[in-house]
Amino acid sequence: DTGVSQNPRHKITKRGQNVTFRCDPISEHNRLYWYRQTLGQGPEFLTYFQNEAQLEKSRLLSDRFSAERPKGSFSTLEIQRTEQGDSAMYLCASSHRTVANYGYTFGSGTRLTVV
Amino acid sequence: AQKITQTQPGMFVQEKEAVTLDCTYDTSDPSYGLFWYKQPSSGEMIFLIYQGSYDQQNATEGRYSLNFQKARKSANLVISASQLGDSAMYFCAMRGFGQEGGSYIPTFGRGTSLIVHP
Repeated sequence: DTGVSQNPRHKITKRGQNVTFRCDPISEHNRLYWYRQTLGQGPEFLTYFQNEAQLEKSRLLSDRFSAERPKGSFSTLEIQRTEQGDSAMYLCASSHRTVANYGYTFGSGTRLTVV
Repeated sequence: AQKITQTQPGMFVQEKEAVTLDCTYDTSDPSYGLFWYKQPSSGEMIFLIYQGSYDQQNATEGRYSLNFQKARKSANLVISASQLGDSAMYFCAMRGFGQEGGSYIPTFGRGTSLIVHP
């Protein structure tokens, strides 16, 4: 396992369509985070899982956004009825509970463009 | 609540020179951790260095060192002997340990763009 994997790397969609992104964390990491990053900004927290439980959601996560982590392994982030304002880089990170002090491993991100 | 402030939108440095990237933070959590990440144009966030709030010594990792001044709530990143490959965005981040309203979810600053000139 070489790191956090995110698919797809790029996604272009028309406004109003639904999109789904996938994140495969490092296998022994039980914590998984989703962030959104727009141009010129730092990553903004969206949601957090510990194993399969979604423990925290940001106010940024509107009702059009949903995230799952079945069986505590990979996670999906779905955006329904996409809007142009959803265009951003979506980053996934994972960490292990006992080594969280030593950094969170990020994937390469999924860049979403809504046209 | 916790907050990270990076006041330098962009920095320029000559190759082989040292550069300091500023970061100040605010939290009410008595225990916290501070991180620096590098984000090249490819988009991946690369972990550089970590400093715990109770660590007695400043963290160092190769050419990276963290100038931690707890009383001033600053955690500046020092890159020595800059290389062309250091050109990237740099983000300061922190996490609390869930005490006094601190969040264990990492919070990031807006970043500093570093350009290394040959």
